[in-house]
Amino acid sequence: DTGVSQDPRHKITKRGQNVTFRCDPISEHNRLYWYRQTLGQGPEFLTYFQNEAQLEKSRLLSDRFSAERPKGSFSTLEIQRTEQGDSAMYLCASRDSYDSNQPQHFGDGTRLSIL
Amino acid sequence: AQSVTQPDIHITVSEGASLELRCNYSYGATPYLFWYVQSPGQGLQLLLKYFSGDTLVQGIKGFEAEFKRSQSSFNLRKPSVHWSDAAEYFCAVSNYGGSQGNLIFGKGTKLSVKP
Repeated sequence: DTGVSQDPRHKITKRGQNVTFRCDPISEHNRLYWYRQTLGQGPEFLTYFQNEAQLEKSRLLSDRFSAERPKGSFSTLEIQRTEQGDSAMYLCASRDSYDSNQPQHFGDGTRLSIL
Repeated sequence: AQSVTQPDIHITVSEGASLELRCNYSYGATPYLFWYVQSPGQGLQLLLKYFSGDTLVQGIKGFEAEFKRSQSSFNLRKPSVHWSDAAEYFCAVSNYGGSQGNLIFGKGTKLSVKP
């Protein structure tokens, strides 16, 4: 069990640029979640996948955001035309939905800073 | 709508003293409740969870929490705090009444430990 891996750990970009983050879940986990955490706040749900299907999107996920999980393994989260308000920590989590007692396991996150 | 309230933004305790972090939730059915801990710049680590059964649950690192349905609370406790416990603590409830849903987090309580 290598844990949930996120890349990059830090991303600094200029306003208006596009950025893409990657999440590699624990290998046998079929559910993958994305959360956003701004300074001084708890994480807020963005979206989740069951295998390759994106089953739910929060209202926080504006049309500048897109997430994919093409083969049901790793996932990417892309933000187009970044804005100052996108500065946050983006957290990925995964779990095995067939084990009802299993909680979500989180990665260390990608911290995005918009200049 | 489901929500989680952590009334204390910041708590300071002396090393060796006892600790209690408060969490209140709003949820229509039996909640699935969690406590996570986050060190600076890191992801979230699960301390403990409550799904059903015994209302006093034991977690890692000597933490425990008690589910009180009548008070809609799930407070986290530790009898003797260590300097390494300094971190931010998040209480969360699972949406849709099961562990399968996304998590709704409180805003967190930052714990500082005095030597």
